[in-house]
Amino acid sequence: KQEVTQIPAALSVPEGENLVLNCSFTDSAIYNLQWFRQDPGKGLTSLLLIQSSQREQTSGRLNASLDKSSGRSTLYIAASQPGDSATYLCAVRQETSGSRLTFGEGTQLTVNP
Amino acid sequence: NAGVMQNPRHLVRRRGQEARLRCSPMKGHSHVYWYRQLPEEGLKFMVYLQKENIIDESGMPKERFSAEFPKEGPSILRIQQVVRGDSAAYFCASSPTGLAGVGPGELFFGEGSRLTVL
Repeated sequence: KQEVTQIPAALSVPEGENLVLNCSFTDSAIYNLQWFRQDPGKGLTSLLLIQSSQREQTSGRLNASLDKSSGRSTLYIAASQPGDSATYLCAVRQETSGSRLTFGEGTQLTVNP
Repeated sequence: NAGVMQNPRHLVRRRGQEARLRCSPMKGHSHVYWYRQLPEEGLKFMVYLQKENIIDESGMPKERFSAEFPKEGPSILRIQQVVRGDSAAYFCASSPTGLAGVGPGELFFGEGSRLTVL
């Protein structure tokens, strides 16, 4: 059974700092990994999708890396802003479970002005 | 291109009543997924449907919960005889393709329906 863990559970940083969020998964037979952002009381916004054959994806100030063999992914946020404050969720899709995603419990990020 | 639309956004029910949550996928998407987020917990998969077919319902509670995605109209998640433990945010997601190996398989989520059972 796939398990996804995100560390840290919460993170508070001053504005402008670069930061890294971590995601690990127990079963490396994944099809892809997706990072989401969730604002309080809102839905999920897809940030980056990394296929199992890829090593990283970039979008603006965000960079996600994937090390499938070690079961790890990181989300790097450059020059953080107060508007980045949200919960960041990592989710993996298995090779054999169709389109079902297994989610981590998220990292709650607060960027202080 | 409108996103995934869910309604109602908030629903209050008393114990024993029925809750019906609706989800219209993004235009062009024929695969729908329901997830539940209990308070202080992560999202958990419930069910995966295509038009008129339930593909994977392994995450659905065995009793009181059902889902459908008819040929016409939105997908419906139905909870009968609700209990306080059903209070949660229910999220719907859609994708244009659903099978591993066919397309990127990126999921797009709606804003969720928040059910409160009194």
